Amino acid sequence: DAKTTQPPSMDCAEGRAANLPCNHSTISGNEYVYWYRQIHSQGPQYIIHGLKNNETNEMASLIITEDRKSSTLILPHATLRDTAVYYCIPRGTASKLTFGTGTRLQVTL
Amino acid sequence: DAGVIQSPRHEVTEMGQEVTLRCKPISGHNSLFWYRQTMMRGLELLIYFNNNVPIDDSGMPEDRFSAKMPNASFSTLKIQPSEPRDSAVYFCASSLRVGWGGGPKETQYFGPGTRLLVL
Repeated sequence: DAKTTQPPSMDCAEGRAANLPCNHSTISGNEYVYWYRQIHSQGPQYIIHGLKNNETNEMASLIITEDRKSSTLILPHATLRDTAVYYCIPRGTASKLTFGTGTRLQVTL
Repeated sequence: DAGVIQSPRHEVTEMGQEVTLRCKPISGHNSLFWYRQTMMRGLELLIYFNNNVPIDDSGMPEDRFSAKMPNASFSTLKIQPSEPRDSAVYFCASSLRVGWGGGPKETQYFGPGTRLLVL
């Protein structure tokens, strides 16, 4: 699986957009980019995934660069409940997920 | 749907005792995963099953750990004997694997975890 680099922590004001970057420069052609988050004391939660096109769902938007070496998760209107650790996970045909250290997002008033 | 169910939610035991963690996957899912989370090592996969068969157990720390999946709706992770370094949060996750797996629709859903403390 490809290695990822994410900033260890970020802050965001409530109501503003949170943009979480991820570098995955060694991603291979068949690997999707998955994003999960883990709210304190809970199990990880699926957010969104994509291959090469931008994706949007009810939780977030995912922007993947044309060369697929990086991506950005966007929470359009962050709330206090979005405070969590966010994981960017490239995944190919293997079923398992390999979690890195993620980005700890703190949403503040 | 009730989601992935794990029991117990908290377990405190003494070194040397046997510990059994339980998981009920989401109905209809055919893959089940056991993860462990510690401050030092983060979230790491221990073992996963597909159609009740263990596929990859390379993450199992040592022979003290064993996992079973006797049927599609139940799995156990057993530690015998337990040691203080086994203290962690253990998560179970399930997914629906179609075909060769790893496809975009194979989303894993995690349970709330079991917090284990071995004294």
